[in-house]
Amino acid sequence: EVQLVESGGGLVQPGGSLRLSCAASGFTLSNYWMHWVRQGPGKGLVWVSRINTDGSSTNYADSVKGRFTISRDNAKNTLYLQMNSLRVEDTAVYFCARDVGWLPGYWGQGTLVTVSS
Amino acid sequence: QSALTQPRSVSGSPGQSVTISCTGTSSDVGGYNYVSWYQQHPGKAPKLMIYDVSKRPSGVPDRFSGSKSGNTASLSISGLQAEDEADYYCCSYAGTYTVVVFGGGTKLTVL
Repeated sequence: EVQLVESGGGLVQPGGSLRLSCAASGFTLSNYWMHWVRQGPGKGLVWVSRINTDGSSTNYADSVKGRFTISRDNAKNTLYLQMNSLRVEDTAVYFCARDVGWLPGYWGQGTLVTVSS
Repeated sequence: QSALTQPRSVSGSPGQSVTISCTGTSSDVGGYNYVSWYQQHPGKAPKLMIYDVSKRPSGVPDRFSGSKSGNTASLSISGLQAEDEADYYCCSYAGTYTVVVFGGGTKLTVL
């Protein structure tokens, strides 16, 4: 069974940093592209970033480009999202997702990031 | 404003059928056969219901079906059940720069 468990969320001040982790089990992480997607309070889903199987290729939404970095450690079965220069508008639940057909497929339960002073 | 346009809400009675539309452009929905649909209950993670426009993952009832015509994708749900009441989101591949776009979501109410 595919399982994805996010962690690392919390309360951070504007301008601060956080690193999210996504622990994968039930499948071989190194075989799949992975995504991060976020959902603001009461809002819809917004794609954030994706990474290819070996980490050599990454893509970002314009809203996070230059501030967020996606990475992975296939040996540790873990996906990461390093978030710097956080803004109030980055407040959201962040989901990691395994790729199915070039798009997010199987999702974790999410971790809440709150950016507030 | 979301890249893909969905109706804010749809409704139907138990046993009836509903269809949710998802309109994009030739740069996303119309340009690729990579459209997915997700069901999200309050406070829960999204669940994949349809991928590659019309394929159903294992375990998803065949009451759920997907299709596409031009720049518009559709999710159809037949034999509505109370547990189908949820938010539904469409998603499309949009090329190597924009990559992935979502619709704004549709709230399905089972009357």
